Amino acid sequence: AQKITQTQPGMFVQEKEAVTLDCTYDTSDPSYGLFWYKQPSSGEMIFLIYQGSYDQQNATEGRYSLNFQKARKSANLVISASQLGDSAMYFCAMREGGGLTGGGNKLTFGTGTQLKVEL
Amino acid sequence: DVKVTQSSRYLVKRTGEKVFLECVQDMDHENMFWYRQDPGLGLRLIYFSYDVKMKEKGDIPEGYSVSREKKERFSLILESASTNQTSMYLCASSLTGMYGYTFGSGTRLTVV
Repeated sequence: AQKITQTQPGMFVQEKEAVTLDCTYDTSDPSYGLFWYKQPSSGEMIFLIYQGSYDQQNATEGRYSLNFQKARKSANLVISASQLGDSAMYFCAMREGGGLTGGGNKLTFGTGTQLKVEL
Repeated sequence: DVKVTQSSRYLVKRTGEKVFLECVQDMDHENMFWYRQDPGLGLRLIYFSYDVKMKEKGDIPEGYSVSREKKERFSLILESASTNQTSMYLCASSLTGMYGYTFGSGTRLTVV
């Protein structure tokens, strides 16, 4: 089974509008972390936001917020007031809380959502 | 300010060649990773290392090996390159625990 699922291969949004990128995950580990990365066309991976499984509040970082619904196992990224520079590939990833080997120290990524911001 | 450095941005190699992709980090991170990225497949883990000389297979290790002789350097080796190994290769490092990664800028490898 896929550990991270991103069901939107591509999304369009108008400049200044908000957009939600979907991410669902699958784990039986009570301790895990969820991450979102942005990859512009230049290729570098940029960390955006983190949500821990025990965090009581949804994470926010500037225009980015994470809509964390633990019971539904979803961790959607919300970008407010979209800008042209937000056009990029976005990846959701999960790190499970195991030990040094196995799942404890690696991120599992989804297949990504290509976001295009239009004027 | 560069923290994770991949030796080549673009690389073209011939089928059957032995290929070395080098990655160096200057953040004293214990963990280093090699992923390959293909359209529609996201990032898939090839190998990772949680300490010097320690390595673990990821999800797609076939056709690859790795070497970590020093903490700051993690090398990915394609013993005999094949055309299906044409891809973007991303190196990353992290601390142990619930931390994200710092990525290198990637190496786009083409095997002809």
